[in-house]
Amino acid sequence: DGGITQSPKYLFRKEGQNVTLSCEQNLNHDAMYWYRQDPGQGLRLIYYSQIVNDFQKGDIAEGYSVSREKKESFPLTVTSAQKNPTAFYLCASSIPQGSKNIQYFGAGTRLSVL
Amino acid sequence: DAKTTQPTSMDCAEGRAANLPCNHSTISGNEYVYWYRQIHSQGPQYIIHGLKNNETNEMASLIITEDRKSSTLILPHATLRDTAVYYCIVRVADSSYKLIFGSGTRLLVRP
Repeated sequence: DGGITQSPKYLFRKEGQNVTLSCEQNLNHDAMYWYRQDPGQGLRLIYYSQIVNDFQKGDIAEGYSVSREKKESFPLTVTSAQKNPTAFYLCASSIPQGSKNIQYFGAGTRLSVL
Repeated sequence: DAKTTQPTSMDCAEGRAANLPCNHSTISGNEYVYWYRQIHSQGPQYIIHGLKNNETNEMASLIITEDRKSSTLILPHATLRDTAVYYCIVRVADSSYKLIFGSGTRLLVRP
């Protein structure tokens, strides 16, 4: 099946700990994105990458880091500098060309702080 | 990207059409209207998009007014599984960039 796989589905972080959320896609999409969603709110962009080995900060990048070493993978690290990490994290990918610039989303990772 | 305005919530009976409105009065000529939905605790799902002509696919129909200042998403025969938050997003198609999700419309389909 083609799609976007996020893991784990649930994640718990201790104070001062860095945690990494996985996002893998087999859609052969060039662009990948990380969003954060707080309860009852819309999505906010953390980081995005249009091509391998390149990525840009979104609106709320502080306390997060990413890498894009492979086309299929775009892991997100929530660092200890992110003081309020509890949220629902969503990864997406797209072919960023033309009117069919449609983003496809994974099932999400729900992060909580212990 | 232009701002959109949607009702906070709506409901409809199962089997009936659900008509979800969206206002985008500041839309530019090169901006498309996209609709996504998010079922509880899942990732958003693309539904449909259009520029100025009405569009239809297997999920829904999109009606855009002639002046493009508003649109309506139509689910022709709503089912309980269509209960979700529906987001109307306006953006330039070639932008490989973020989707600006507002608060959306929470649609409840009643049995």
